[in-house]
Amino acid sequence: GAGVSQSPSNKVTEKGKDVELRCDPISGHTALYWYRQSLGQGLEFLIYFQGNSAPDKSGLPSDRFSAERTGGSVSTLTIQRTQQEDSAVYLCASSLRPPNSPLHFGNGTRLTVT
Amino acid sequence: AQSVSQHNHHVILSEAASLELGCNYSYGGTVNLFWYVQYPGQHLQLLLKYFSGDPLVKGIKGFEAEFIKSKFSFNLRKPSVQWSDTAEYFCAGLSGTYKYIFGTGTRLKVLA
Repeated sequence: GAGVSQSPSNKVTEKGKDVELRCDPISGHTALYWYRQSLGQGLEFLIYFQGNSAPDKSGLPSDRFSAERTGGSVSTLTIQRTQQEDSAVYLCASSLRPPNSPLHFGNGTRLTVT
Repeated sequence: AQSVSQHNHHVILSEAASLELGCNYSYGGTVNLFWYVQYPGQHLQLLLKYFSGDPLVKGIKGFEAEFIKSKFSFNLRKPSVQWSDTAEYFCAGLSGTYKYIFGTGTRLKVLA
């Protein structure tokens, strides 16, 4: 079956521009996560969705970051006025029922801010 | 787990050598621990998990991990590594009921 799909796989943008990253989770997975992986760092939690609601946005680094999920499926992570420190790999994961069901990760979007 | 730390950032082994990757967690209530692996060019996938019961957990591809409560550790082991085990390995713990906290990862390179 199809796994978690993320697009684009690579994104290069100029400092100050807005970017949108998309995640298509596995069908039927109600839980969806966004993580950020910077060079030499682990996976940094950004946000968790259960269905369309986000009970935990505690990891979003600043108000330039926002995310939404519609129809209990597709999620979009938006970064406004990008900064060079936003350069990282953004990973999306979905799960049927955490923690009993494992996380299924996408391949990530590599964001480079120049 | 409130935090997870991995001691080894880079490990290089020859084929057939034994592997042990360290992972420590800070206590935060119920302990749920995981190891995830990312092979080159692939997405992260679950290797094994510990929730309760037998502290020695067996996972895929011959990997195992031992939960030692007194040491706050959950080290990953494999008796004999193969070239195909070259990957990045992440230890993770669960904070609450849904939030996964990941370590910084260990890059393993196995020389043929």
